[in-house]
Amino acid sequence: DAMVIQNPRYQVTQFGKPVTLSCSQTLNHNVMYWYQQKSSQAPKLLFHYYDKDFNNEADTPDNFQSRRPNTSFCFLDIRSPGLGDAAMYLCATSRSEEKPQHFGDGTRLSIL
Amino acid sequence: AQSVAQPEDQVNVAEGNPLTVKCTYSVSGNPYLFWYVQYPNRGLQFLLKYITGDNLVKGSYGFEAEFNKSQTSFHLKKPSALVSDSALYFCAVRDIDSGGYQKVTFGTGTKLQVIP
Repeated sequence: DAMVIQNPRYQVTQFGKPVTLSCSQTLNHNVMYWYQQKSSQAPKLLFHYYDKDFNNEADTPDNFQSRRPNTSFCFLDIRSPGLGDAAMYLCATSRSEEKPQHFGDGTRLSIL
Repeated sequence: AQSVAQPEDQVNVAEGNPLTVKCTYSVSGNPYLFWYVQYPNRGLQFLLKYITGDNLVKGSYGFEAEFNKSQTSFHLKKPSALVSDSALYFCAVRDIDSGGYQKVTFGTGTKLQVIP
């Protein structure tokens, strides 16, 4: 009964080679989030969508983009990954912005 | 501006003993406070939240947290720790800024180690 699914769990890409991470949800939640987490640090919010309304955090690098084609799916695109982009990427959903977030198990991205 | 602080990087407790993981917050309005737990190579899992009402909030897996407005704290507690409680714990606060924008900020996390 997985509710927030991230694929793949582990992704390896080459320095500078574009990569896309995917997230799907079966909860029909309005809000979807993308976080970057390094080495057991606090998750850092990159983007979030309230329905189709897109919110980009001010300090999210231009290298990162996101798409939400429908309620169930959200994608994180990294155009030219650098070594500093190696991290765990977490997707989360919530019914609304004040409700608890439901997280996927993340995609661990490695850069060669 | 809002912030949340977890002053301890790691907490060690013997199995069966009570545990406390500390969190303090600073927000401009009424706080919405959350605790999440993260096991290795997993996403965060919601444990409990405080929005309004009773200051003592009960959550999943026997955890509870006490909201203290005067001390701006929201410490996580459990009466009797289990080895399986060993994990990374994050406190989070949701606030609304002057522009009406809602944002959740996570603390830096506290690693809980329960010793058999």
